[in-house]
Amino acid sequence: AQTVTQSQPEMSVQEAETVTLSCTYDTSESNYYLFWYKQPPSRQMILVIRQEAYKQQNATENRFSVNFQKAAKSFSLKISDSQLGDTAMYFCAFRSAGSNYKLTFGKGTLLTVNP
Amino acid sequence: DADVTQTPRNRITKTGKRIMLECSQTKGHDRMYWYRQDPGLGLRLIYYSFDVKDINKGEISDGYSVSRQAQAKFSLSLESAIPNQTALYFCATSGERVTDTQYFGPGTRLTVL
Repeated sequence: AQTVTQSQPEMSVQEAETVTLSCTYDTSESNYYLFWYKQPPSRQMILVIRQEAYKQQNATENRFSVNFQKAAKSFSLKISDSQLGDTAMYFCAFRSAGSNYKLTFGKGTLLTVNP
Repeated sequence: DADVTQTPRNRITKTGKRIMLECSQTKGHDRMYWYRQDPGLGLRLIYYSFDVKDINKGEISDGYSVSRQAQAKFSLSLESAIPNQTALYFCATSGERVTDTQYFGPGTRLTVL
């Protein structure tokens, strides 16, 4: 069974600075997908970024980028130029390419952006 | 309008009561899911459905049942609610391609007293 570990329950960053959230996972599969979801105080789960394991290039979406290290089974999220609206719980999630239904989530990291 | 809606958004009920949470989507997706979120535990899959006639248990289905009334509607029922079912419940949908992403509804906060 796959497991996803987020070792930082809480983090804080000053507005306009850069922060990196960590995620590691355990799997024996070679093809899979990784995701970062954001959950602001509104409770909505919002997809931030996704990474296909077969792609060597790290995914980027505007101020959000990942550092995907397949051999180390690491998938960290970097937020550049942090904004107050980035304050949220962030969840890392794994999905096997062979079972396109089950998302396995980490326990989340609460990020607070301070003015 | 939101693509995935859930009703109610908040609900307080008593132990032993039957309660139904409803989910509707306008994304045209065949696949729908129910997750539960508890503090410090992330989200866990309760049930999922690949189409109207295909319903499957997830990792924590005990105490829950579901009904897929139509492609766009997927309901979660608690036949006899208990306090440890107090949680935030999410519905999600996705297409059937392996590359498709799951999109989540706004969540229902359920409190069982």
